[in-house]
Amino acid sequence: AQSVTQPDIHITVSEGASLELRCNYSYGATPYLFWYVQSPGQGLQLLLKYFSGDTLVQGIKGFEAEFKRSQSSFNLRKPSVHWSDAAEYFCAVRGANNLFFGTGTRLTVIP
Amino acid sequence: GAGVSQSPSNKVTEKGKDVELRCDPISGHTALYWYRQSLGQGLEFLIYFQGNSAPDKSGLPSDRFSAERTGGSVSTLTIQRTQQEDSAVYLCASSRGPTVNTEAFFGQGTRLTVV
Repeated sequence: AQSVTQPDIHITVSEGASLELRCNYSYGATPYLFWYVQSPGQGLQLLLKYFSGDTLVQGIKGFEAEFKRSQSSFNLRKPSVHWSDAAEYFCAVRGANNLFFGTGTRLTVIP
Repeated sequence: GAGVSQSPSNKVTEKGKDVELRCDPISGHTALYWYRQSLGQGLEFLIYFQGNSAPDKSGLPSDRFSAERTGGSVSTLTIQRTQQEDSAVYLCASSRGPTVNTEAFFGQGTRLTVV
């Protein structure tokens, strides 16, 4: 069965520091993977997606993610975090009829 | 509009009352999803519509929950005899088609509070 695990519930980083949010998935076939961001009181915005091809994908707002089949991971990274990146981040894997989401990682950015 | 639109944005209702939540998907999108997001939780799949096919209702938590999609466009999620545990943000999403490599676009959600 499909599932997504985000092991970090809450991460705090200093502005300007690098960021890595972890995501592990379980899926029987080639996964289609997504990262979404949710700002307070807002819906979900797609940051990036992986369908096939290059395992390092670039997204909006300076984010990137690397698909590693051997580790069943799709970690999100950003080299330098901005205060406006504070939000909830969700990793998702596409199933037959829906997206399976992780429980999210809340990012706090301190000055 | 250009995006997925949900109404109302906020709804406060008394326990035991029925509520209807509306979703207007992006024009031309044949797939429509409803999710529930409870405080501190991830997104819980509720129901999926694709074109004229029978919906996938496997995520509906009880028979108090139902949804319909009229004319392949607007969808309404109905919760009957609301309970306090129904308090959550209800998110709607749509995508161009059923294939797995189409991305889903989300509305801003309806925050439901049952008092």
